[in-house]
Amino acid sequence: AQKITQTQPGMFVQEKEAVTLDCTYDTSDQSYGLFWYKQPSSGEMIFLIYQGSYDEQNATEGRYSLNFQKARKSANLVISASQLGDSAMYFCAMRGLTGGGNKLTFGTGTQLKVEL
Amino acid sequence: ETGVTQSPTHLIKTRGQQVTLRCSSQSGHNTVSWYQQALGQGPQFIFQYYREEENGRGNFPPRFSGLQFPNYSSELNVNALELDDSALYLCASSLYYMSGLGNTGELFFGEGSRLTVL
Repeated sequence: AQKITQTQPGMFVQEKEAVTLDCTYDTSDQSYGLFWYKQPSSGEMIFLIYQGSYDEQNATEGRYSLNFQKARKSANLVISASQLGDSAMYFCAMRGLTGGGNKLTFGTGTQLKVEL
Repeated sequence: ETGVTQSPTHLIKTRGQQVTLRCSSQSGHNTVSWYQQALGQGPQFIFQYYREEENGRGNFPPRFSGLQFPNYSSELNVNALELDDSALYLCASSLYYMSGLGNTGELFFGEGSRLTVL
């Protein structure tokens, strides 16, 4: 079984500052993938970044980076230079890689509010 | 935009009724999965379809069923609606993922269908 834990229900950050959203995971799979999605009020889940469990370097996509610490089973999302448009719900998710398929297990999310 | 479209966007049903939700996958994707997102929660996996067959199911009862068509579009059917079925239903399309195929199996989501059961 897989589990994702996001312990921050809500976070505030000032515009242009960096923010870290926490995510810890639990799995018995040796090979797995970790995702971060952004969900604005419209409801659509927007893919941000992906980290494979065997990737040696932390993933980066523009202003998003994933701080992957395998031994601690954490996959924190770092957003640099926050913008007002970053205000949304953020979900960490995991996919086990055994058996194939694309089932994702999501955490409960973190509501991020970017302030002027 | 992801290229994944869902319909209807909003609908209201009464307990005991049946509902069909539709999803048009992104071009080139062969796998579709459905998720239920209750208010204030993360999405929960319902099931996945690959090559028109169910290929993985979450902890949902049989009254949740689906179809995938040759053009990779999909339907989610829910029979005997209950109040707890009120949620946002998300469709996600992707390439089928297996380790070694060289793709990450990234899921592309639609904007969802918001179902209210009264």
